[in-house]
Amino acid sequence: ETGVTQSPTHLIKTRGQQVTLRCSSQSGHNTVSWYQQALGQGPQFIFQYYREEENGRGNFPPRFSGLQFPNYSSELNVNALELDDSALYLCASSRNSAGGRNEQFFGPGTRLTVL
Amino acid sequence: GESVGLHLPTLSVQEGDNSIINCAYSNSASDYFIWYKQESGKGPQFIIDIRSNMDKRQGQRVTVLLNKTVKHLSLQIAATQPGDSAVYFCAEKLTGGGNKLTFGTGTQLKVEL
Repeated sequence: ETGVTQSPTHLIKTRGQQVTLRCSSQSGHNTVSWYQQALGQGPQFIFQYYREEENGRGNFPPRFSGLQFPNYSSELNVNALELDDSALYLCASSRNSAGGRNEQFFGPGTRLTVL
Repeated sequence: GESVGLHLPTLSVQEGDNSIINCAYSNSASDYFIWYKQESGKGPQFIIDIRSNMDKRQGQRVTVLLNKTVKHLSLQIAATQPGDSAVYFCAEKLTGGGNKLTFGTGTQLKVEL
């Protein structure tokens, strides 16, 4: 186990709704990254949070937003859900250091289904 | 642009044989290449990484080879076991790209008894 936890494990929503996914990072880690993994595909980077601020973003629309809290846990919020948002959402935590390996440890993911 | 891709979507090997999983990348501006293993219903699990200034790195039963000339990365698993059955992803971390990882599509490794 990586020490990274995510909740909920599964979620079913309907198109147009909003969803909040949660992630608790590994102890000592200050950086959280979120990825979307569609079925049969590799994870796609959504964004990263460091010191409670967004620090890098992938090619995702503004309706994907996030938060990082003082204890380094994080939330991913998705508004106006679309059918294509159905995927496994992965959270990864790391200890950020300039030029370092910054090995990322992934949680088990939240499976989101949009109907 | 950024892209990391795999040559074979599915690889079947006999238990005890060696496995080789290949990956091609197109972006030269990366400082680390990483291999992840993902079992069904779980998140990706770190296997091994290699810095861009190296060409080989060994771990326990695994070896990663990096050929920057042809932009090719491979993962070798020695004495493949049933527990190695999973999807394997290569990923790259771009220099100056923070912690953003760019993943390939993945290769399904099936170990036959």
